[in-house]
Amino acid sequence: DTAVSQTPKYLVTQMGNDKSIKCEQNLGHDTMYWYKQDSKKFLKIMFSYNNKELIINETVPNRFSPKSPDKAHLNLHINSLELGDSAVYFCASSLTVNTEAFFGQGTRLTVV
Amino acid sequence: DQQVKQNSPSLSVQEGRISILNCDYTNSMFDYFLWYKKYPAEGPTFLISISSIKDKNEDGRFTVFLNKSAKHLSLHIVPSQPGDSAVYFCAGTASKLTFGTGTRLQVTL
Repeated sequence: DTAVSQTPKYLVTQMGNDKSIKCEQNLGHDTMYWYKQDSKKFLKIMFSYNNKELIINETVPNRFSPKSPDKAHLNLHINSLELGDSAVYFCASSLTVNTEAFFGQGTRLTVV
Repeated sequence: DQQVKQNSPSLSVQEGRISILNCDYTNSMFDYFLWYKKYPAEGPTFLISISSIKDKNEDGRFTVFLNKSAKHLSLHIVPSQPGDSAVYFCAGTASKLTFGTGTRLQVTL
């Protein structure tokens, strides 16, 4: 019974394509996040939503667009994929802002 | 600007001994600190946390120490077990979690 689940786990796609990664949490948390782990293994926040409202939007290209249809879901859509987008993307949730976050298993995106 | 630094990319410790993982931060607004453990091909798992008003928090084999004046925290694992082998991330938060680059711990037999 996975707390934070994201799909797909692996995604290989060509440059220029548009793709989405889905995330769902069944913990009843109010806050959800997207993190990116790059080739240097650095975990960096991209977006944070609290009660479906965007509260953190780091310096991320506007090709990346998060969508939160409800508190339990935060999907990430990426347009016009580039080679540099290749990374592992983690979804996470927390009870509120500033409490410990629980992470999904990650989606390894490879752009070829 | 890396606000959370883990200067040791790797650490090897013998089973049964103490593992000490270190973390330094620069953001004085951080009011809560966390340690996460990550196995390959899995997401980070929350391990232990500490509020900035405390200097120590203990949970079983894991203890986190915070030295605010030095902007330094450390995670002690004692005794270390082979299953502790993983990458450990420290993180600080004011309004968002900011992670360090991780330390790979290898516990040898």
